[in-house]
Amino acid sequence: AQRVTQPEKLLSVFKGAPVELKCNYSYSGSPELFWYVQYSRQRLQLLLRHISRESIKGFTADLNKGETSFHLKKPFAQEEDSAMYYCAPAVNNTNAGKSTFGDGTTLTVKP
Amino acid sequence: GAGVSQSPRYKVAKRGQDVALRCDPISGHVSLFWYQQALGQGPEFLTYFQNEAQLDKSGLPSDRFFAERPEGSVSTLKIQRTQQEDSAVYLCASRYGTLEETQYFGPGTRLLVL
Repeated sequence: AQRVTQPEKLLSVFKGAPVELKCNYSYSGSPELFWYVQYSRQRLQLLLRHISRESIKGFTADLNKGETSFHLKKPFAQEEDSAMYYCAPAVNNTNAGKSTFGDGTTLTVKP
Repeated sequence: GAGVSQSPRYKVAKRGQDVALRCDPISGHVSLFWYQQALGQGPEFLTYFQNEAQLDKSGLPSDRFFAERPEGSVSTLKIQRTQQEDSAVYLCASRYGTLEETQYFGPGTRLLVL
């Protein structure tokens, strides 16, 4: 069965501190990895995807196939990073590429 | 242009009532997904459409749940004889094409079954 684990329900850091949001997945095949973010009173939106090797708003995510992890990192957290973050692997079967979401981590960046 | 829209934004239903939730995807988007998000959890996949074809409905929790997209654009998720456990936020997302492209989410419909 496909599983996504985000072990921290809540994460609180001070502004300027490094932050790492953990994600471990258990998937058959080779999933594509995504991180989604939901800011207060906004809709869920894509933050970044592994396939693009991109850095968005200072965030990066490293895929470790051996550990089946896709942790999200930012060296210097900002208050505006406070939000709910979801790790969401997806496998392109039946032409769907449907995502399985973790239960999310609420990040609070304190001033 | 407009993003994905959903209506109603909020729905209160009495147990046993039928409800219909609407999703207007971004124009031209081929793929459409429905997710159910219970309180404190991540979205869970319900069903997927490619144009008007429902290619995957493996996530629908029971035969009380039915989704359609007859003309390959607007989609409706219908829940018959609602139960309290159906209370959740129902999210719709659309995507232009393949997995590598961005999935755009609507604001969700918050359903409360009393």
